Amino acid sequence: DGGITQSPKYLFRKEGQNVTLSCEQNLNHDAMYWYRQDPGQGLRLIYYSQIVNDFQKGDIAEGYSVSREKKESFPLTVTSAQKNPTAFYLCAKLSGDTSENTEAFFGQGTRLTVV
Amino acid sequence: AQKVTQAQTEISVVEKEDVTLDCVYETRDTTYYLFWYKQPPSGELVFLIRRNSFDEQNEISGRYSWNFQKSTSSFNFTITASQVVDSAVYFCALSEPPGGYQKVTFGTGTKLQVIP
Repeated sequence: DGGITQSPKYLFRKEGQNVTLSCEQNLNHDAMYWYRQDPGQGLRLIYYSQIVNDFQKGDIAEGYSVSREKKESFPLTVTSAQKNPTAFYLCAKLSGDTSENTEAFFGQGTRLTVV
Repeated sequence: AQKVTQAQTEISVVEKEDVTLDCVYETRDTTYYLFWYKQPPSGELVFLIRRNSFDEQNEISGRYSWNFQKSTSSFNFTITASQVVDSAVYFCALSEPPGGYQKVTFGTGTKLQVIP
């Protein structure tokens, strides 16, 4: 699995509720990413983090929040401000912090459905 | 800004045919990485290949081959003698130079259906 775990695989929430998606990695890599996938739109970057206690907004950060209190964990919160939260969410980690062997490993994904 | 274009939304081939998936990218960086990933119906992305921008040598791995051409900013992926198990969505991706924050941008994917 490339050392990255997402949970749960399926998640259902009522509209207006915040929900947090878990992403854990066990290989001590620094860079972690959250992507959202919608049909026909590929993967769009939500947030990414290079080091503990620091993270950057991606292309579609509105309505989402993240934290990076520990190197191995990068949870994503989908807030009630996110207008269309139903999607497939993928967490990734990037191996190789500098010039060599840069490779992104993905978790199994979480399919969030808001009803 | 980076951009990856996969113009082919869906492709259908009959088993044992060869198929090429196109990928065109845009970047202002001179150092970057290109990737191909496979996403089977289970959803998890499977890493296939990484190519450094300084290495234009084509690569072959079994039935898979990749043609990297900097002159046309393309990184095309060919599957020879396709099989039903090749049916999946394939993504091309581009990463910024290493060091600091390294953003990875994906194309919209090409859905490949191999018909038995």
